[in-house]
Amino acid sequence: EAGVAQSPRYKIIEKRQSVAFWCNPISGHATLYWYQQILGQGPKLLIQFQNNGVVDDSQLPKDRFSAERLKGVDSTLKIQPAKLEDSAVYLCASSLDAWGNEKLFFGSGTQLSVL
Amino acid sequence: QKEVEQDPGPLSVPEGAIVSLNCTYSNSAFQYFMWYRQYSRKGPELLMYTYSSGNKEDGRFTAQVDKSSKYISLFIRDSQPSDSATYLCAMSAFPGGGADGLTFGKGTHLIIQP
Repeated sequence: EAGVAQSPRYKIIEKRQSVAFWCNPISGHATLYWYQQILGQGPKLLIQFQNNGVVDDSQLPKDRFSAERLKGVDSTLKIQPAKLEDSAVYLCASSLDAWGNEKLFFGSGTQLSVL
Repeated sequence: QKEVEQDPGPLSVPEGAIVSLNCTYSNSAFQYFMWYRQYSRKGPELLMYTYSSGNKEDGRFTAQVDKSSKYISLFIRDSQPSDSATYLCAMSAFPGGGADGLTFGKGTHLIIQP
């Protein structure tokens, strides 16, 4: 079974630039998550999708971050404009059921460096 | 006080030793407890998943939950160099985190010396 796919693996940008990350969850998984993991910290939930609807985005800095999940499959996370403190690994995860009640499977993440 | 406290280490032990990793938490609503292993430049991989208090064993790994003390542990027996990684505890009030997602500790960096 293929895992959660993310791209790119690494991205280096200057502050105030924009950047986008892509995630393809495990086939058939209804729930998709974006987590932010700052160096030395545990992952923190940014946004959760149930199929193509947002379940929770209360921790997403909406003035600069946006995310969408088209057709309930792939998802993109965008930052515009980026700040130095956005340097982190952005992890995508998916779970089978539509209520976030199943185990999560994580991708390898996109490591973002903002200079 | 953070919701989940975990000593970041590093914790260095010789090969074959028993390793004990721990987390404490403050939210009494947490009922689902997980341990993830994260290798460098990889995403977290689920190791153990337990509900409420008690023990769960899987091969060389044993997870313990003591809800009365708000304390969880992961034991690794006969540790191997391949166990060297960061171990993250995670917990939630719902099986997969529900709408709030999982709450993670900072992770403990474990080094097994050959």
